[in-house]
Amino acid sequence: IAGITQAPTSQILAAGRRMTLRCTQDMRHNAMYWYRQDLGLGLRLIHYSNTAGTTGKGEVPDGYSVSRANTDDFPLTLASAVPSQTSVYFCASSEGLTGANVLTFGAGSRLTVL
Amino acid sequence: SQKIEQNSEALNIQEGKTATLTCNYTNYSPAYLQWYRQDPGRGPVFLLLIRENEKEKRKERLKVTFDTTLKQSLFHITASQPADSATYLCAPRANQAGTALIFGKGTTLSVSS
Repeated sequence: IAGITQAPTSQILAAGRRMTLRCTQDMRHNAMYWYRQDLGLGLRLIHYSNTAGTTGKGEVPDGYSVSRANTDDFPLTLASAVPSQTSVYFCASSEGLTGANVLTFGAGSRLTVL
Repeated sequence: SQKIEQNSEALNIQEGKTATLTCNYTNYSPAYLQWYRQDPGRGPVFLLLIRENEKEKRKERLKVTFDTTLKQSLFHITASQPADSATYLCAPRANQAGTALIFGKGTTLSVSS
């Protein structure tokens, strides 16, 4: 089934540890995104990528890094996790970044930082 | 800065009634407005897109309006059903390349039978 695969589904992590959330899409979409979703704050954009080799910062990029080595993969790395990064993380993709493009989301990764 | 407001965090209605959700935006002029549905524990799913030159768009029991003067979109679900219970997110979007999608916080709709 075409779509987005995120891993892990859920993870508990000690503060200070490094963590990479994986995201793979099989739709050959050019654009990819990482959002975090917190109660009362909604979905907030962390980083995005217009095409392989390029990335951009969203609303809340601090403490996170991304890379886009190829079209299909867009990993999100927390270099040194802190409790405030406890959240549900969603990866998404779209054909492009212009306004008519709609997003396809993954199922999410629930991260708890203790 | 760009701001998106969805009318209320929660909306409770009875089965068969029409649900109306509001999305207001300020400080930008989107060329498109997208609506998504999110069920608990799942990622959002795209429902409808309306362009700035379209006043209204329909899909089955769903209807979306887009008023660029009022800077507002209304999302209607007619003959609502308990299965329509979910959180609905709006996302106004400019047309320029290089801008990414920002969402409203969402309205959680509960339809009781």
